[in-house]
Amino acid sequence: EPEVTQTPSHQVTQMGQEVILRCVPISNHLYFYWYRQILGQKVEFLVSFYNNEISEKSEIFDDQFSVERPDGSNFTLKIRSTKLEDSAMYFCASRAGTGGRKLFFGSGTQLSVL
Amino acid sequence: SQELEQSPQSLIVQEGKNLTINCTSSKTLYGLYWYKQKYGEGLIFLMMLQKGGEEKSHEKITAKLDEKKQQSSLHITASQPSHAGIYLCGADSRGNEKLTFGTGTRLTIIP
Repeated sequence: EPEVTQTPSHQVTQMGQEVILRCVPISNHLYFYWYRQILGQKVEFLVSFYNNEISEKSEIFDDQFSVERPDGSNFTLKIRSTKLEDSAMYFCASRAGTGGRKLFFGSGTQLSVL
Repeated sequence: SQELEQSPQSLIVQEGKNLTINCTSSKTLYGLYWYKQKYGEGLIFLMMLQKGGEEKSHEKITAKLDEKKQQSSLHITASQPSHAGIYLCGADSRGNEKLTFGTGTRLTIIP
């Protein structure tokens, strides 16, 4: 069964450093998402991406964040200058063009900012 | 913005017993999605409900969306250890791409 793949599973970084989280969505999907979950809190929407551009973003997704689909298969989330409060599990998700908002999630990248 | 409140927050159930988890929305639900999350893992899609009064079942799990479309329930019959995890409801709203998730219900099954 097709699945969303995320790498790395764990990422430790120093505050102020740049990180790139990588995702390979399901191949025929058209919509791509990043969510995050701070320990003990809700799963929060960050950004959605469709047709090579951001379709929606949350207040969390400020200028320090960017997304890219560089080669038609990978979907990346970059955090330019990490902060302690960026520590969270980051989930990538994708969906097909039909079927409502039925999202398929990856297993997540646990980001720890020290 | 839409808020989803789940109850109970946690549930401990003896294996074989039935249980119900509720999800209440602050706004009308246009699409309601149930997911399951195991600790440290991603979210696994369970069911999607879009019409008031709709009910769907998969194996021993049944989900309903009430007629007024502001509440959904997830019912598990004859619970098993494999049902343990965190259950999340998610909702979309018209014109938006995002899913908003509820607070989650942590289910523990005791043998």
